[in-house]
Amino acid sequence: EAGVAQSPRYKIIEKRQSVAFWCNPISGHATLYWYQQILGQGPKLLIQFQNNGVVDDSQLPKDRFSAERLKGVDSTLKIQPAKLEDSAVYLCASSRIASRGAFFGQGTRLTVV
Amino acid sequence: QKEVEQDPGPLSVPEGAIVSLNCTYSNSAFQYFMWYRQYSRKGPELLMYTYSSGNKEDGRFTAQVDKSSKYISLFIRDSQPSDSATYLCAMSGPSAGNMLTFGGGTRLMVKP
Repeated sequence: EAGVAQSPRYKIIEKRQSVAFWCNPISGHATLYWYQQILGQGPKLLIQFQNNGVVDDSQLPKDRFSAERLKGVDSTLKIQPAKLEDSAVYLCASSRIASRGAFFGQGTRLTVV
Repeated sequence: QKEVEQDPGPLSVPEGAIVSLNCTYSNSAFQYFMWYRQYSRKGPELLMYTYSSGNKEDGRFTAQVDKSSKYISLFIRDSQPSDSATYLCAMSGPSAGNMLTFGGGTRLMVKP
């Protein structure tokens, strides 16, 4: 079974530029999560999708972050404009059964300079 | 107060030791509990999940949940240098929207 795919693996941008991350979840997984992980901290949930509907986006900075899930499968997370404090690893995860946890991709390491 | 608290460590132990990693939580809506292992520059890897109080064993790993105390633990027996990583607890529940909430992680170092 293929895992969660994310791209790109690394991205360096200047502040005020825009950036987009892509995620392909495990086939058949209805729930998709985007997390932000700052160095030395645990992952922080940004947005959760169930199929192509948003379950929770309460911690998504909506003035600069947006996310969509196309046809309930792939998802993209966009930041526009980026700030220095957005430097972090952006993790995508998916799950089929909530009680059994979620499976993570390798993440995209974003550096904003 | 964070919903899920975890001692950041680092926790340093000699090879072969029994390791105890712990998390406390405040939200009674959490019903499902997981432990993840994260190596440097990698995504979190699901180690174990459980949804009942008591113990669950998988090889060298034992997960323990005490819902009455809002306290969960992960024990690692016969620890190996390859166990050196950050361990993250995570939890969710249907009445919490099945949102997966993480602790801050404990960094473990197993010395040969």
